Amino acid sequence: GAVVSQHPSRVICKSGTSVKIECRSLDFQATTMFWYRQFPKQSLMLMATSNEGSKATYEQGVEKDKFLINHASLTLSTLTVTSAHPEDSSFYICSGDRGTDTQYFGPGTRLTVL
Amino acid sequence: GIQVEQSPPDLILQEGANSTLRCNFSDSVNNLQWFHQNPWGQLINLFYIPSGTKQNGRLSATTVATERYSLLYISSSQTTDSGVYFCAVDRGSTLGRLYFGRGTQLTVWP
Repeated sequence: GAVVSQHPSRVICKSGTSVKIECRSLDFQATTMFWYRQFPKQSLMLMATSNEGSKATYEQGVEKDKFLINHASLTLSTLTVTSAHPEDSSFYICSGDRGTDTQYFGPGTRLTVL
Repeated sequence: GIQVEQSPPDLILQEGANSTLRCNFSDSVNNLQWFHQNPWGQLINLFYIPSGTKQNGRLSATTVATERYSLLYISSSQTTDSGVYFCAVDRGSTLGRLYFGRGTQLTVWP
């Protein structure tokens, strides 16, 4: 149990466009979902924490107007990168917490902005 | 925030060898997890171990919370063990925020 999926797994877009990434908990209800960003050969950096039905809490330095997070239900959270630029290219990973102090991670989405 | 340091940063082994990965953290924690990130980027939960010792097959982990460190042991390593091993901790805040170390890149050669 505790499977998290992400869609798409890979996306290439032009500079200035918006990209939506979906994160779903397939076999559990995620009390909280987290979005991370990982640059090549680096660690995971938390971007924001979201709870179903409420506004996301963003980490310091993360632009909330650029990285829009919607946690529509206990099994779905979306991250929208608005007006993407090449510096937004990265590996984005979500995770879900079912209230047991253990986070379960999705397979990640590789975003490339041309 | 809490500091998480992992060592060594890189480790190269021949198949069959044993290894120990270390994670030091700067403050008391409520949660500590070890993850393996495979070459495709998927993070796989290995252990939830805020204290004590756990074993799962060839892997085992020990956390000494009072001394603020955790160890991950890999015995009889296999090529499929290659990847990055991360330690992540949570201080017990209501947000469940995980602080990640920089990881140990393990390469196992046949």
